[in-house]
Amino acid sequence: GAGVSQSPSNKVTEKGKDVELRCDPISGHTALYWYRQSLGQGLEFLIYFQGNSAPDKSGLPSDRFSAERTGGSVSTLTIQRTQQEDSAVYLCASSPQRRSYNEQFFGPGTRLTVL
Amino acid sequence: RKEVEQDPGPFNVPEGATVAFNCTYSNSASQSFFWYRQDCRKEPKLLMSVYSSGNEDGRFTAQLNRASQYISLLIRDSKLSDSATYLCVVNMGSGAGSYQLTFGKGTKLSVIP
Repeated sequence: GAGVSQSPSNKVTEKGKDVELRCDPISGHTALYWYRQSLGQGLEFLIYFQGNSAPDKSGLPSDRFSAERTGGSVSTLTIQRTQQEDSAVYLCASSPQRRSYNEQFFGPGTRLTVL
Repeated sequence: RKEVEQDPGPFNVPEGATVAFNCTYSNSASQSFFWYRQDCRKEPKLLMSVYSSGNEDGRFTAQLNRASQYISLLIRDSKLSDSATYLCVVNMGSGAGSYQLTFGKGTKLSVIP
């Protein structure tokens, strides 16, 4: 079946521009996560959506970062006024239930480069 | 102390060798533990969950030591295809309702012909 998809796969932007990253989770998965992976670093949790509950935004590094999940499916991560330190791979993952021991399925990521 | 700590490696081993990776975690209340595998420029994928009693999947064996807050992964009869970065992953919360996973930075393995 179809896995988690993300678009674009690569994004190069200029400092100060806004970018939107998209994630399509696996159909039927109620939980959706965004992570960031900088070069040589571990995955950094950004935000979590579960069903219709309020998202956990505790990992967002600044107010330039925001995310939405429409209709409990597709999610968009928006970064406003991008900075060079925002350059990283942004990974989306989904899982079928709100239980920690359920496997998280990752998308291929969006590689963001801020010039 | 870092939340999830791993030796970054690289571990360079010949085909057929046995190699072990270790991971320590800081939160004694952690409930769930996993090993993920990440190939170069690819997304992480679950390799195996780690259960209290230890578990084995083919050539891979995972162990958990709660007293020492320590997780291990053993790979026997290494294959070239095992070359990847192995991520130690811990759920730091307690109870089934907790969902946040904390990832280690990974241990890089290169299996050499």
